[in-house]
Amino acid sequence: DIQMTQSPSTLAASVGDRVTITCRASQSINSWLAWYQQKPGKAPKLLIYMASSLKSGVPSRFSGSGSGTEFALTISSLQPDDFATYYCQQYNGYSRAFGQGTKVEIK
Amino acid sequence: QITLKESGPTLVKPTQTLTATCTFSGFSLTTRGVGVGWIRQPPGKALEWLALIYWDDDKRYSPSLKSRLTITKDTSKNQVFVTMTNMDPVDTATYFCAHVSLDDSEDAFDIWGHGTVVTVSS
Repeated sequence: DIQMTQSPSTLAASVGDRVTITCRASQSINSWLAWYQQKPGKAPKLLIYMASSLKSGVPSRFSGSGSGTEFALTISSLQPDDFATYYCQQYNGYSRAFGQGTKVEIK
Repeated sequence: QITLKESGPTLVKPTQTLTATCTFSGFSLTTRGVGVGWIRQPPGKALEWLALIYWDDDKRYSPSLKSRLTITKDTSKNQVFVTMTNMDPVDTATYFCAHVSLDDSEDAFDIWGHGTVVTVSS
């Protein structure tokens, strides 16, 4: 099974900060990686797919990068609406798996 | 507009079988490249992928839960079902269904339902 490891688990930041979350796969997944945002009591929302493709309607301050086993989600200038938990997810081959999540908190 | 809605029992007793239903609109599960998946989230914990079914009846299961899961579809009713046998209190979670499309978002879960809360307790 492919395991996904996110870091950090929690991140404290201020409005306007540049924020980067990393995700590591236990084996190569090429670019089959998605990023989701989840707010308390809500369903996750797709932000990025294929490692770096921005879903239509998602603000351009969100960007994704990486391939193989190392990936990153970057928020260029953190906005009040961005305080949430972020998950990476691999979808290479037969199986799917999520990372353990990164909570972005207000500093 | 694509929408999905989960339904099922809110309370299940240990050892019983859970059957949850995903009723969707705005797409057809007979369209090439389309699928519906199930994901769960225990209270305060991370998302966990369970199963996925595609338009051509290709089925995928979480390796750790495969022996307990069955995913099926009824294309005439626009519904997807997941059954999980031998339920345990650790299976208490919100269960989500989500849409995938090989064309639109390269197989990522792009549209989600609101989720249904399932509690396992005697």
